[in-house]
Amino acid sequence: QKEVEQNSGPLSVPEGAIASLNCTYSDRGSQSFFWYRQYSGKSPELIMFIYSNGDKEDGRFTAQLNKASQYVSLLIRDSQPSDSATYLCAVGEYNFNKFYFGSGTKLNVKP
Amino acid sequence: EAQVTQNPRYLITVTGKKLTVTCSQNMNHEYMSWYRQDPGLGLRQIYYSMNVEVTDKGDVPEGYKVSRKEKRNFPLILESPSPNQTSLYFCASSPGSNQPQHFGDGTRLSIL
Repeated sequence: QKEVEQNSGPLSVPEGAIASLNCTYSDRGSQSFFWYRQYSGKSPELIMFIYSNGDKEDGRFTAQLNKASQYVSLLIRDSQPSDSATYLCAVGEYNFNKFYFGSGTKLNVKP
Repeated sequence: EAQVTQNPRYLITVTGKKLTVTCSQNMNHEYMSWYRQDPGLGLRQIYYSMNVEVTDKGDVPEGYKVSRKEKRNFPLILESPSPNQTSLYFCASSPGSNQPQHFGDGTRLSIL
């Protein structure tokens, strides 16, 4: 059974701080990695995706991937109360077209 | 506007009564997928489709059927629903496999 693990939280950070969200996965063959944000009662929306080892930055968000350690993270700089949501890590299999999601980390950004 | 549309948004029904949840996308995406979301379990993939007439099982396909007769539509069929299929269901689409997915608004299904 392929697994994607996330700390369920809640992770609480003050406004303006850096929030660090982590995710580990079990399948070494995984090739694509995604972070989705889900507000309560809403559908997931894409924040970042990354395919190669290293960092990928988009505005206040940075995704980091380390395939050797089977670890992917999301950094949110200058956190805002509007960033308060559940963040889902998703991992895609290569050639099998399946996706596995973690159960999500709830982030609270306190004003 | 690019969107994935699911219907119905909410449904309460009884055990054994066949139901279909429709999903339609207007982005000409090849890849479509169905997920269920349960507390503490995250999103689990039920079925996916790479293109018209090409479907395959995800992680939790038991009790569900799908079809992909047209590129834009990917209905989820519960032939004989049971209470353990009570869940929040999401349809998603993407241009191809292993690419970011765009999700519909979800269907909250209650099987009594």
